[in-house]
Parts: sequence; structure tokens; C-alpha cells
Amino acid sequence: GAVVSQHPSRVICKSGTSVKIECRSLDFQATTMFWYRQFPKQSLMLMATSNEGSKATYEQGVEKDKFLINHASLTLSTLTVTSAHPEDSSFYICSARLTGSSSYEQYFGPGTRLTVT
Amino acid sequence: AQSVSQHNHHVILSEAASLELGCNYSYGGTVNLFWYVQYPGQHLQLLLKYFSGDPLVKGIKGFEAEFIKSKFSFNLRKPSVQWSDTAEYFCAAYSGAGSYQLTFGKGTKLSVIP
Repeated sequence: GAVVSQHPSRVICKSGTSVKIECRSLDFQATTMFWYRQFPKQSLMLMATSNEGSKATYEQGVEKDKFLINHASLTLSTLTVTSAHPEDSSFYICSARLTGSSSYEQYFGPGTRLTVT
Repeated sequence: AQSVSQHNHHVILSEAASLELGCNYSYGGTVNLFWYVQYPGQHLQLLLKYFSGDPLVKGIKGFEAEFIKSKFSFNLRKPSVQWSDTAEYFCAAYSGAGSYQLTFGKGTKLSVIP
């Protein structure tokens, strides 16, 4: 149980285009999902916290107009990288927290490798 | 703000050697602590977690971690590593924020030589 999927797993796009990444909790409901960015040989950096039915909370330094997050249902959150540039190339990971749980445990998706050319 | 530090960037061990990866956190309140593992090409998986109670926590695949409150530490151990333990290991802690955010350490890459 507690499986999180991401789609696509890899995407290559041209500079200036937008890319949408989906994060789904497959067998549980997730009121809260998190979006991370992982740089090579570095840790996961939290970008934003996504709450179902409300606006996402962005971490300091993360441009909310560039990284659009939508959490339209209890099993789906999307991250759209708008007007992508090469510096946006990275590994994006989502995670989900089980609705109703008092635990801080998060279940992670497999990640999406974004390459902007 | 919470911070998590992992002492070693890259650890290289021979099979059957014992492992200890250091992790220190900064939050002084009630803590939830985690160790995650990321095998090559795979997603993060939970190894073990500590919420309360027995400070010695046992996880999957023979891993354990000890919570030492006085040292703000949560070191990961395994008595005898295998080649299949080659992976990146991340320590994480509850950040204290109301939305259940986790703060991650920078990770330790473990390479086990057969």
C-alpha cells in the first residue's frame, strides 16, 4: 500500500515551453502533497506544500508564478513548470501524506527528470 | 528553522563491514525522525522512523537507528552490509511546521564493494 506515482518519468522540452508533472496517490487519499526538487549530489529541497482544494504554500525563493501547483482531488496534484529554462532542469519529486494520519511520514513518488534544452 | 546534517558525503565499505551513518537535527521540540534510502534509479523508500518510545528503532533490511536526545542525533547502523545496500541514504526530521513538512539532510552515498 501507500504507492505514489509520477508522470512522466522523464521529459525533455524546449526553452520557453511549459511542462506538467502529475503526482498521484494510487491506493490512498492524500490531503497534503509535497513537491521537492533534487539537485545532483544534493538533498531534496522542498518547493511547496500542496493542499487539496486550497492554494499551495511555497517555500521562500520559489516562484509561485513559475511553478504552478494544483491539487484538485485527494489523489492528484500537478506541478506545471511554466516558460521553462535550462536552469529549471532538475529531478522533481512529489510525496504524499496519508489523510487523517497523525504521522509525519511521507510516501514518495519515483521522480520526474526534467531536461530543458 | 529545523536543520538536518549528515556527516558523511560518501562512505565506501567492503561487504560484511559494519555501518554507521551520522545524522544530527536541530529542532528542540518533539521530533519525528526518519531514514530514507534511494537505490540507484529508484524512488525514496522509508527505512525506519522514530516517533516516541524506545530510542532504538529497528527498520527493514537489518537497519536500525538510535535516537539520542541529548546529542540531537539519530545515527543509522547496520552490523554487516551487503553489496545490495549500495544506495543514497537520507536522514529527515519533522520541521516543526503545521503542515507536516520534513527537512532532509544532504544525503550519504554508500558504496559497498563486493
